[in-house]
Amino acid sequence: DAKTTQPTSMDCAEGRAANLPCNHSTISGNEYVYWYRQIHSQGPQYIIHGLKNNETNEMASLIITEDRKSSTLILPHATLRDTAVYYCIVRVGYNQGGKLIFGQGTELSVKP
Amino acid sequence: DGGITQSPKYLFRKEGQNVTLSCEQNLNHDAMYWYRQDPGQGLRLIYYSQIVNDFQKGDIAEGYSVSREKKESFPLTVTSAQKNPTAFYLCASSIVGRVYEQYFGPGTRLTVT
Repeated sequence: DAKTTQPTSMDCAEGRAANLPCNHSTISGNEYVYWYRQIHSQGPQYIIHGLKNNETNEMASLIITEDRKSSTLILPHATLRDTAVYYCIVRVGYNQGGKLIFGQGTELSVKP
Repeated sequence: DGGITQSPKYLFRKEGQNVTLSCEQNLNHDAMYWYRQDPGQGLRLIYYSQIVNDFQKGDIAEGYSVSREKKESFPLTVTSAQKNPTAFYLCASSIVGRVYEQYFGPGTRLTVT
């Protein structure tokens, strides 16, 4: 599975868009990009995933570059409750029993 | 509301005792998982099950056991053979065809002294 690289931490002002980058330069054609977040002392929460097209749901948007070597998770109007560690995970669509491999992630702090 | 429940949220045990962590889901998911998280670290897979009465070891199954007698339930037993049992334990479930869209419970923080 492709390795991902994310900044260790980021700050964002409440109400502004939070743009969280992820580099996955060794991604292969059948690997999806998944995003999860984990609020302190809680279980992780699935946010969104994509293969090559941009995706949007009620929580966030996922922008994947044309060469698929990087992606950006966008929280359009960040709130204090979005403060969490955000994980970018690259996985082949279905194999290995669904093991999720969480790296260090990006600690996002949303400030008033 | 559909979801996953884990109980209790905090659990304290003496060294040498077995302890069972509960995980129940009403999402009608076939697949369930147990992960362990240590401070400042990512999740590590302990066991997973894709169907009732069947389960597979994950990366760190030694010292743990599970059962899957019902679709809704996947209890984890931390045995006295687990050398470092103190950790945050997370249960998750998913539809079998969408195994990377996992829904997690709130976790149980186990402390063994």
